[in-house]
Amino acid sequence: DTGVSQNPRHKITKRGQNVTFRCDPISEHNRLYWYRQTLGQGPEFLTYFQNEAQLEKSRLLSDRFSAERPKGSFSTLEIQRTEQGDSAMYLCASSDGLRDRFSYEQYFGPGTRLTVT
Amino acid sequence: QQPVQSPQAVILREGEDAVINCSSSKALYSVHWYRQKHGEAPVFLMILLKGGEQKGHDKISASFNEKKQQSSLYLTASQLSYSGTYFCGTRTGAGSYQLTFGKGTKLSVIP
Repeated sequence: DTGVSQNPRHKITKRGQNVTFRCDPISEHNRLYWYRQTLGQGPEFLTYFQNEAQLEKSRLLSDRFSAERPKGSFSTLEIQRTEQGDSAMYLCASSDGLRDRFSYEQYFGPGTRLTVT
Repeated sequence: QQPVQSPQAVILREGEDAVINCSSSKALYSVHWYRQKHGEAPVFLMILLKGGEQKGHDKISASFNEKKQQSSLYLTASQLSYSGTYFCGTRTGAGSYQLTFGKGTKLSVIP
């Protein structure tokens, strides 16, 4: 069990550019979540996958954001036409959800820090 | 709606106890507690389910009052390693998997 990994760890981009982040969940975890966290705030839910299906998406998520999990393993989060307000830490988490009701505990990755200049 | 945590910050000396509270205006299915150290990912501490079941680390205890939609995290005999920001995350139904987090409680343990 190597934990949740995210790449890149840091990304600096200019306003208007597109960026893509990758998340590799704990192997065999079928549930994957994306969150955004800004300074002094708790993580804010963005979207959720069960296997390859995107089952929940925050109403706060604009059309510029899209996420995929094509084979039910790793996931990507893309932000198009980045804005300065997109600067944040983007966290990925996974859980297995199969064993029992407690298996909804989410394990977080180290995050990708995005800075939009 | 975001749960409300209190206090916003607390400073303890090693060995002292602390209680962190989490309150929601919505009916809750479960409450999840995490600790985050600066620059690191949130780490799971405890999950409390509607109906009374809970699971978490041995040295952490918590309660969930379903009638009041409140949860409390109890930190006893604090250690320096307990320092960090504590977040509660809430789920409002079995069919929804997103966690809504509070703004956090910053805990500092000093020698």
